[in-house]
Amino acid sequence: GENVEQHPSTLSVQEGDSAVIKCTYSDSASNYFPWYKQELGKGPQLIIDIRSNVGEKKDQRIAVTLNKTAKHFSLHITETQPEDSAVYFCAASPKGGGFKTIFGAGTRLFVKA
Amino acid sequence: SAVISQKPSRDICQRGTSLTIQCQVDSQVTMMFWYRQQPGQSLTLIATANQGSEATYESGFVIDKFPISRPNLTFSTLTVSNMSPEDSSIYLCSVERGGAKDTQYFGPGTRLTVL
Repeated sequence: GENVEQHPSTLSVQEGDSAVIKCTYSDSASNYFPWYKQELGKGPQLIIDIRSNVGEKKDQRIAVTLNKTAKHFSLHITETQPEDSAVYFCAASPKGGGFKTIFGAGTRLFVKA
Repeated sequence: SAVISQKPSRDICQRGTSLTIQCQVDSQVTMMFWYRQQPGQSLTLIATANQGSEATYESGFVIDKFPISRPNLTFSTLTVSNMSPEDSSIYLCSVERGGAKDTQYFGPGTRLTVL
């Protein structure tokens, strides 16, 4: 089955710097890769996603890149702000459906003011 | 997106008792999912609940311990039965929605502490 590895487990950056979180997956059949942000005391919130027919997607300060050959994808946050501090989860879905979506272990991001 | 609510938001329970968690969605969905998130950990799928059929449980989770109901397309319940301290977790309801029907949205979670 699918296995998703996520690095780093903890990331601390200065406000205004960029943050990069990387994930690798094992199942070449995976074709949908969402990213979630979970703030303390809340459920995970979908912030961006990418499909295997796209190499990069951007939404304001957030971008995701996908390398299908190497089976890895990354989340890039530019101009970080204190409110970006949260736990971020990557995920991979082996088909076009949430069924059997596999989540990474999470990255705790601290943005220091 | 989807608006998902869960009740209760948190609870403290005694071992040996059961707790039923409710999940309400703002519109009809075919698939609903229940996840467990242990403290500081990632999300683990407990089961998938389709309306009108028995829930499908993942390895390590059984119906006797986590019975699920799905009476209609906007509502589901998860019961945590005969609780022990190891059941202390966040329980999350999730639904699948989107043009490709593969985007998952999560509820706010139910924080359960078992003493």
